[in-house]
Amino acid sequence: GAVVSQHPSWVICKSGTSVKIECRSLDFQATTMFWYRQFPKQSLMLMATSNEGSKATYEQGVEKDKFLINHASLTLSTLTVTSAHPEDSSFYICSARDIGGGDYEQYFGPGTRLTVT
Amino acid sequence: KNQVEQSPQSLIILEGKNCTLQCNYTVSPFSNLRWYKQDTGRGPVSLTIMTFSENTKSNGRYTATLDADTKQSSLHITASQLSDSASYICVVTAYNNNDMRFGAGTRLTVKP
Repeated sequence: GAVVSQHPSWVICKSGTSVKIECRSLDFQATTMFWYRQFPKQSLMLMATSNEGSKATYEQGVEKDKFLINHASLTLSTLTVTSAHPEDSSFYICSARDIGGGDYEQYFGPGTRLTVT
Repeated sequence: KNQVEQSPQSLIILEGKNCTLQCNYTVSPFSNLRWYKQDTGRGPVSLTIMTFSENTKSNGRYTATLDADTKQSSLHITASQLSDSASYICVVTAYNNNDMRFGAGTRLTVKP
């Protein structure tokens, strides 16, 4: 089956620093990737849609200058949390849409736990 | 208001018992409905995906039903196992396939 990986799986950083999270589709090409954040006991909240070779589309209320998204290839998208603050601590999940199968199946990565101290 | 409502919010059952989770939606026009299982600290894993014309779909001990007329879906888990303890999320996609609406999930705990 299709696999989406995320790296790192968890990260601890200090306030004011930046952290980059990678999302890779390992065995399929994805022109579209999605970034979500999830707070404890809540469902996923879409942050942005990332299209290969173009600028990401951010959901209302998500600061694009704080959450930088780069989708440089058909298998890699990155999310950079800039000038991190403790309130950015969350579980970040990416997903990738497989266009090859024709059914637009969407596969989720295992998530990245970010803790800002 | 969320366009996908799930019930119950949480559920505790004994190992070996069956259970049914509910999902009601108002997303329109409808394209497909998916059920995902999400273990704590992990990403969601797809269980089933159903389009408008499908009424039921099974994946092992998981059986999903869809009534597109009443805009209701259910996920039935048979002979529950401890490993079934997880959150189950209903996701409904609009026809253009770009707008996925997530339910809040049902937290299932299976106890020995």
